[in-house]
Amino acid sequence: GENVEQHPSTLSVQEGDSAVIKCTYSDSASNYFPWYKQELGKRPQLIIDIRSNVGEKKDQRIAVTLNKTAKHFSLHITETQPEDSAVYFCAASKNNNDMRFGAGTRLTVKP
Amino acid sequence: GAVVSQHPSWVICKSGTSVKIECRSLDFQATTMFWYRQFPKQSLMLMATSNEGSKATYEQGVEKDKFLINHASLTLSTLTVTSAHPEDSSFYICSPTSRNTGELFFGEGSRLTVL
Repeated sequence: GENVEQHPSTLSVQEGDSAVIKCTYSDSASNYFPWYKQELGKRPQLIIDIRSNVGEKKDQRIAVTLNKTAKHFSLHITETQPEDSAVYFCAASKNNNDMRFGAGTRLTVKP
Repeated sequence: GAVVSQHPSWVICKSGTSVKIECRSLDFQATTMFWYRQFPKQSLMLMATSNEGSKATYEQGVEKDKFLINHASLTLSTLTVTSAHPEDSSFYICSPTSRNTGELFFGEGSRLTVL
């Protein structure tokens, strides 16, 4: 089955700096890669996603890149703000089935 | 956006009792429902997958007789934790897939504490 690894487990940045979180996946058949933001005790919120036919996607301060050959994808947050502080999860799935999550990255943005 | 209602949002029960968690998709039909469990400071772990009208498929290590899943309609799925024990204390989240768009959504989650 799919195995998703995520690094780093914790990340602390200064407000205004960029943050990068990286994930790798094992199943080359996976074709959908969402990123979720989860605040304490709440459900994950989809912040951006990318499909295997696209190499990069951007939405304001958030961007995701995908390297299918290397089987890794990354989340980039620019101009970080304190409200970006949360736990971020990457995930991988085949057609939205059997979605597997990375272990999570706790991002802290210091004002 | 799509609305998913999951309740109870939190429940405390005694060891040995059963707890039922409901997940409803209020404005869309869900062909597939995923149930996840999340222990403190850990990731979401897939417990089982169910399709409307079919038996659920459980992940390795998840006891199907302990975690009963019913997906009787396209808008309602339930997870029943039977004979709960303290180690079952966790955050349980349902995730329905829209029949029309294939998009995934998440319920608000249910925090179970077993004393």
